[in-house]
Amino acid sequence: EDQVTQSPEALRLQEGESSSLNCSYTVSGLRGLFWYRQDPGKGPEFLFTLYSAGEEKEKERLKATLTKKESFLHITAPKPEDSATYLCAVMDTGRRALTFGSGTRLQVQP
Amino acid sequence: KAGVTQTPRYLIKTRGQQVTLSCSPISGHRSVSWYQQTPGQGLQFLFEYFSETQRNKGNFPGRFSGRQFSNSRSEMNVSTLELGDSALYLCASSLAYGGNQETQYFGPGTRLLVL
Repeated sequence: EDQVTQSPEALRLQEGESSSLNCSYTVSGLRGLFWYRQDPGKGPEFLFTLYSAGEEKEKERLKATLTKKESFLHITAPKPEDSATYLCAVMDTGRRALTFGSGTRLQVQP
Repeated sequence: KAGVTQTPRYLIKTRGQQVTLSCSPISGHRSVSWYQQTPGQGLQFLFEYFSETQRNKGNFPGRFSGRQFSNSRSEMNVSTLELGDSALYLCASSLAYGGNQETQYFGPGTRLLVL
């Protein structure tokens, strides 16, 4: 059974204070690892898809990396508008369904 | 390009009733998946439809069902509602199978409250 564990559960940063969110996963075969951002009362917003170990993707202040057992979402010089819950999900080769972690609630204070 | 749309956005029902939720995928997307999000269980996969056929199913009781139409629009139905069915129901669409086409884009969700 696929499993995704995200840490920390919650993170409070000062504006400009860089940090990383962790996503550890267990799958029989990785079809893809996905990062989403979710604001309260809204649907998840797609950020990145990673397919193989060593892959990296960047978008503005965010950078996602992937190893065979975990993924990191690095946030560089965050701003208050980066405050949200960040969700990690995996899709295995046997089934087209996303298995989500419980998310990291990020709060960036000005 | 318009995103995934879901209707209605909010619903209040009583135990024992049934409910139908609707999802219109992004134009050109052929796969639609449904998820349930609750504070206790997080996001859980319900089912996926592609070319009007259910391709995958999550671990939910038979009270949860769905269908997809020829224009890729999808509906899900929950019969004999229970209090525990109160949740945010999310629809996600993707282009198709294979590679980058499998990234799922989510709609705003339908908030269901069962009293």
